[in-house]
Formats: sequence, structure tokens, C-alpha cells
Amino acid sequence: NAGVMQNPRHLVRRRGQEARLRCSPMKGHSHVYWYRQLPEEGLKFMVYLQKENIIDESGMPKERFSAEFPKEGPSILRIQQVVRGDSAAYFCASSRSREDEQYFGPGTRLTVT
Amino acid sequence: AQTVTQSQPEMSVQEAETVTLSCTYDTSESDYYLFWYKQPPSRQMILVIRQEAYKQQNATENRFSVNFQKAAKSFSLKISDSQLGDAAMYFCAMGLIQGAQKLVFGQGTRLTINP
Repeated sequence: NAGVMQNPRHLVRRRGQEARLRCSPMKGHSHVYWYRQLPEEGLKFMVYLQKENIIDESGMPKERFSAEFPKEGPSILRIQQVVRGDSAAYFCASSRSREDEQYFGPGTRLTVT
Repeated sequence: AQTVTQSQPEMSVQEAETVTLSCTYDTSESDYYLFWYKQPPSRQMILVIRQEAYKQQNATENRFSVNFQKAAKSFSLKISDSQLGDAAMYFCAMGLIQGAQKLVFGQGTRLTINP
């Protein structure tokens, strides 16, 4: 049973470009969470999605960031017009239900030059 | 709002010895989960142990055990017989049972194992 998949593992973008981060949850999991980890810090919640619905986006910056989890395909975290402060590791987690354990992917390390 | 605090940025222990990592938290909710996650240099987040707040019995998982003090809002992790592979960042986290179950993480403790 494959775990949570994230790609790419490393992503380099110049300031002003767009970054797209993908997350494929574990089989049978319909709940997806995105977290951001700045250097030397803990993970910070960004957004919680179920298939085709955003449930809680209280941790998402108001501008430039968006997330989706379509009926088919992976969840996508999109960052438009990236800035140096967006450089971080972005982790996706999935769970079978809201109460179940969250399983984390390996993360995508975004570097903005 | 929930907060999680880890007051020990770094800890070290001799191989085969026991070490305890501290964690305190704050919430007005009565039902929640507490977790310890391990993040080795690969950066993969690995669940070490989980505790339901309504359970009085402390969770254990092989060499890992917790001391859960609900009234004091304290949740420490004890690692017995430390091994070189235990070297990692350790994060304490909590999640509410009701609601989105988004996890709130502490700042982390870097654990070094001395051979």
C-alpha cells in the first residue's frame, strides 16, 4: 500500500513565477491537509480539503495561495508570483476520516531564487 | 486557539540511556489528541506515539512512552534504551477531536545520540 506521494520533491522557482505542488493521498483516504515548515520551525497548518471541497483554509495566506482537491487526480497547492519568503518545505498529509491518524508525505522543498 | 510549546531546542543522550522530551500545550477544549512525531534528516514526518486526551492510561510504543498530565497540560516523551537511529527532530502536536482536526505543532527538539 503506497504511502502519501508528493511531487516534485524539490522545486526551484524564480521570484514572480508560479509553483504547483502535488499530493496524492493514500488509497482510501479522502481527507488532505497541507502544512508549511519554515527553516528551523515546526509545521504550520495551511488548509484542509476533502474531495472537491475546501473545509478549512484558516492557515492559508490571503493572497497568491490556493488549493484544490478535484474529484479525480491529486490535490494541488498553487503559489502564484512566488517570493523569497515562500521558500519552505510543504508537507501534505492524508487521512481516511477526520478523526483518523494523518499520514504525511515526504514533503516538497521549494526554493525561490 | 491551541498552542504547543517545546522548551528544549536541543537535547543529547548517551546511547542506551533514557531521555525525556518536554511538551506543554494550551487549549480550552476537553477532547483532543496529542502526538509525538519524529523528523529524521530525510525530513519525513513519522508518527511515534499518539494519546487520546480522554484516556488516563499513558500510551506506550516499544521503547517510547509518554507521561500525560491533563491537568497540567503536559505531554512528555520518554525514550528508553536510546539508539543511534533515534537521532532526529521531535515535534509535539495536538489536534481537536471535533472540528477540522488540523494539527498544531511545537517548535521541535533536536535530539542527538552520543555513541
